[in-house]
Amino acid sequence: NAGVTQTPKFQVLKTGQSMTLQCAQDMNHNSMYWYRQDPGMGLRLIYYSASEGTTDKGEVPNGYNVSRLNKREFSLRLESAAPSQTSVYFCASSEGQGFGYGYTFGSGTRLTVV
Amino acid sequence: AQKITQTQPGMFVQEKEAVTLDCTYDTSDQSYGLFWYKQPSSGEMIFLIYQGSYDEQNATEGRYSLNFQKARKSANLVISASQLGDSAMYFCAMREFPFSGGYNKLIFGAGTRLAVHP
Repeated sequence: NAGVTQTPKFQVLKTGQSMTLQCAQDMNHNSMYWYRQDPGMGLRLIYYSASEGTTDKGEVPNGYNVSRLNKREFSLRLESAAPSQTSVYFCASSEGQGFGYGYTFGSGTRLTVV
Repeated sequence: AQKITQTQPGMFVQEKEAVTLDCTYDTSDQSYGLFWYKQPSSGEMIFLIYQGSYDEQNATEGRYSLNFQKARKSANLVISASQLGDSAMYFCAMREFPFSGGYNKLIFGAGTRLAVHP
């Protein structure tokens, strides 16, 4: 099925461990995004990639890095996980940059840092 | 300052009744889009409805309609004839097109959790 695929769906990390969240889309979208969702705070943008080869910080980038590997793939890396990074992470993509373009979301990754 | 405000953390409605979920937004741009997403307990984000700032008619998609009041900067979601499957978290979001430049992203409100009672 066409869409945005995120892996893994669930992950438990110990404080200080590292991991990479993978995201791939097969809709030929130019723009991709990583958000985190925390109770009472909605979704907050971590990083985005307007097009292949570019990445930029969003609202809450500290503690994260990203790689836009190619047009399809956009990964999020936690170098040294902290309990404050316990959250649900969503990858999304968008066909265009106009204000009329919404996002297609992946199914999310529930990350717990202990 | 909050760009998107959803003042109702939780709402409940009886099955088959209509319910309105509130959303107000803050922007100085003339061009923007407003979106509503549904997040059921399974966790995925499902697009429901879109309203552009230049659209003169309120958007409708099946049982969903968007009550767009531009002067008041509100974009309330109306769900008619509620069903048990409508129980979920609902997010209002906005995407701007700033003439001053900068990349426009989707900005989300905190969400409203709707419970539909039989």
